[in-house]
Amino acid sequence: DAKTTQPPSMDCAEGRAANLPCNHSTISGNEYVYWYRQIHSQGPQYIIHGLKNNETNEMASLIITEDRKSSTLILPHATLRDTAVYYCIVRVDEGAQKLVFGQGTRLTINP
Amino acid sequence: AAGVIQSPRHLIKEKRETATLKCYPIPRHDTVYWYQQGPGQDPQFLISFYEKMQSDKGSIPDRFSAQQFSDYHSELNMSSLELGDSALYFCASSPITSGGNYEQYFGPGTRLTVT
Repeated sequence: DAKTTQPPSMDCAEGRAANLPCNHSTISGNEYVYWYRQIHSQGPQYIIHGLKNNETNEMASLIITEDRKSSTLILPHATLRDTAVYYCIVRVDEGAQKLVFGQGTRLTINP
Repeated sequence: AAGVIQSPRHLIKEKRETATLKCYPIPRHDTVYWYQQGPGQDPQFLISFYEKMQSDKGSIPDRFSAQQFSDYHSELNMSSLELGDSALYFCASSPITSGGNYEQYFGPGTRLTVT
């Protein structure tokens, strides 16, 4: 699986958009970008994933650059409950593929 | 909606004892994954099962074994426990056979403390 690079920590004001970057310059053509988050000591939670098109769901939006070497997770209106560690993971979408968690970004939402 | 169930939620054992952690996947999920998260660490993959067969293996000690049963639940057996085994153990499940929907859903975890 491709290696990802994320900033170790970020802060965002409550109600503002939180934009979390991820670099994955060695991503292969068949690898997807997945985002998970882990709120303190809870099980990681799936957020969103994509291959090359931008994606949006009820939780977030995922913007993938045209060359697919980086992406941004957007939480449009961050709340205090969005404080968590956010993991960007790239993996092929086939079979029982494990998740390889890297360092992640510790996002703190401030009131 | 039903979620992944793990039991027990907390477990305290002494060194050299054994422990069994159980995982009940979401209904109609046929793949189970186990992850270990030490204090201040990121989750690390241990082992996975698809249709009751081991599908992948990570950094799981030889003292640990796991299996998936006919009802798809899974058990992680840990023997000769060491202090370093103290961690959160997460189970996740995913529906491999649902046409490309491969996201994993995690349980609340079992917190194992070895004294």
